[in-house]
Amino acid sequence: GQSLEQPSEVTAVEGAIVQINCTYQTSGFYGLSWYQQHDGGAPTFLSYNALDGLEETGRFSSFLSRSDSYGYLLLQELQMKDSASYFCAVKTGRRALTFGSGTRLQVQP
Amino acid sequence: ETGVTQTPRHLVMGMTNKKSLKCEQHLGHNAMYWYKQSAKKPLELMFVYSLEERVENNSVPSRFSPECPNSSHLFLHLHTLQPEDSALYLCASSQGSGNTEAFFGQGTRLTVV
Repeated sequence: GQSLEQPSEVTAVEGAIVQINCTYQTSGFYGLSWYQQHDGGAPTFLSYNALDGLEETGRFSSFLSRSDSYGYLLLQELQMKDSASYFCAVKTGRRALTFGSGTRLQVQP
Repeated sequence: ETGVTQTPRHLVMGMTNKKSLKCEQHLGHNAMYWYKQSAKKPLELMFVYSLEERVENNSVPSRFSPECPNSSHLFLHLHTLQPEDSALYLCASSQGSGNTEAFFGQGTRLTVV
């Protein structure tokens, strides 16, 4: 089976940088995705890493190390609207994504 | 029209009721999913429908019954549910069942009393 671990909560202040880590144990790993979900909203896709290294999309970056079964989501220049839950998810073959429990990010003024 | 639409948004039902959740996607995708989201737990995949296959999570009780009449519509039929089934039920779609980018609906908040 698959399992993913990420911190349950993270708090940071506006303008800061925050890193949300994700470690995984899977078979047949293809890549790691990140999703954002605001309270009462739908999860929305942020990024996908299939290869080792850093992928940057605006203020958000995602990193993967396949050898360490580890990835992270980096959020820069934090804004209040970034307060949300962030989920890592693994792709293992043709099956649907398997998600972690989510990290609740609270951005304070 | 939003990409993935779920109805109803909220549902309260008794343990002896029968109800159905509906999902419709307007994205031209060929794979659709039901996920269950409970507080502080991972999104739990319940069912996948795609051109290639229907895949079930074997841990899903038979009181949940999916139906996918075509690639745009997905239903989840509910009967004799338990209070622990109260959760947010999310529908998603993607192009291909293993696609990394899934598009989710707003979910149906289900409360079983």
